[in-house]
Parts: sequence; C-alpha cells; structure tokens
Amino acid sequence: AQTVTQSQPEMSVQEAETVTLSCTYDTSESDYYLFWYKQPPSRQMILVIRQEAYKQQNATENRFSVNFQKAAKSFSLKISDSQLGDAAMYFCAYRTTSAGGTSYGKLTFGQGTILTVHP
Amino acid sequence: GAVVSQHPSRVICKSGTSVKIECRSLDFQATTMFWYRQFPKKSLMLMATSNEGSKATYEQGVEKDKFLINHASLTLSTLTVTSAHPEDSSFYICSASRGQGGEKLFFGSGTQLSVL
Repeated sequence: AQTVTQSQPEMSVQEAETVTLSCTYDTSESDYYLFWYKQPPSRQMILVIRQEAYKQQNATENRFSVNFQKAAKSFSLKISDSQLGDAAMYFCAYRTTSAGGTSYGKLTFGQGTILTVHP
Repeated sequence: GAVVSQHPSRVICKSGTSVKIECRSLDFQATTMFWYRQFPKKSLMLMATSNEGSKATYEQGVEKDKFLINHASLTLSTLTVTSAHPEDSSFYICSASRGQGGEKLFFGSGTQLSVL
C-alpha cells in the first residue's frame, strides 16, 4: 500500500516571500500521479498542481512549482511571492495509474500542512 | 469546468436518525465516485469507492451497515449515515472521476454533519 507523509504540520511565511512544503511517499509502483491540493477555510478542495511520475520535468503553475525527486520519493511544493490568499491547509496526494482493481482512482493523502501567510 | 455538487452543505440531526448526503456530477458521467471523511485539521480518509451499478468497495475499518452507499446512476451517488451518533459527526467529501481512464478527479464542496 502507498503512504504519503507530510512532516510539517504548520508552516508560516511572510507575504511576498517563498515557502517550500515537504512531502515524501512510499510506493512500489513505477508510474503514478502526485498532487498538491489546497483546502482553504471554505474546505473546498482545490487542485494546485499535478505531476506524472514518468515525466522528469517538474510541473509548474504560475507561482507554484514542485521539486519531484523520484528516486528519493520526494515531492515538495514551492510557493513563490506568497499572497494572503495562499493561506490554507495543503495536502500532498498520491494516485495510482494502474487501471482496474479497487485502488484505481483513489487518492492517498498526507497529513496536511497548515500554511499561514503574514502580511 | 466539471462541477460536482454535494448536498446538503451542513446538517444537524438527533442521535439515532439517518442522514443522506448526495453527490452529483453536473456536466459529466461519473462511473466512479469516492467518499472521504475528514476530522478538523486532519487529513482526508477514504471511506469507500462507489461504482455505478455495483456494490461499493469499503476501506478497512469502515462499517458497511452504518455508511450505506448507493450509486444508482452515472451522475449520482449517495451516502447514508444510518442511526447516526455523535462520533459520526465529521466533514464528508465526495469526489467524482471523469474520463475514459478516470484520470480527472473533481471534489464536491463537502457536508458538515453534526449529530446531537
């Protein structure tokens, strides 16, 4: 079974600064998806960024980028030029790409990191 | 973009009653839906996988008789919490899978259940 670990329960950053959230995972699969989700106080799950394991290039979405180290099973999220609206709980998640079986499509989440942005 | 509607957003009920939560995919057919449970400031824990036209697959430790899941159509899955008790109070979130390979996932807005 896959596991996802976020070792930082809370992080804080000054507005306009950069912060990195850590995530490690464990899997025996060679191909899979990794995600970062944001959950603001509204509790709506918002997809921040997605990485396909077979792609060596790190995914980027505007101010959000990842550092994907497949061999180390590490998937960190960097938020540049932090904004007050970035304050939320962030979840790292794993999803298999193997079709069929009961595990296909489900997400395994890390424990989450609460990000506070100071003005 | 694809939208998943979840209702109600908040429900308060008395202990011993049953509560039904609906999860609808509004602009796509979802062959698979997922139900998660989340405690305050905690992670999302998968409860069950709901497949249209077949029985749901429950995660280990989830009581099938307490959390009844029905996926009778390609756009609707329901979670019924039967004989609810205060310990069932939690935030429940559904997600729906779209695409031939189910590669895209969309989340509902969640339901806060409070059992008195």
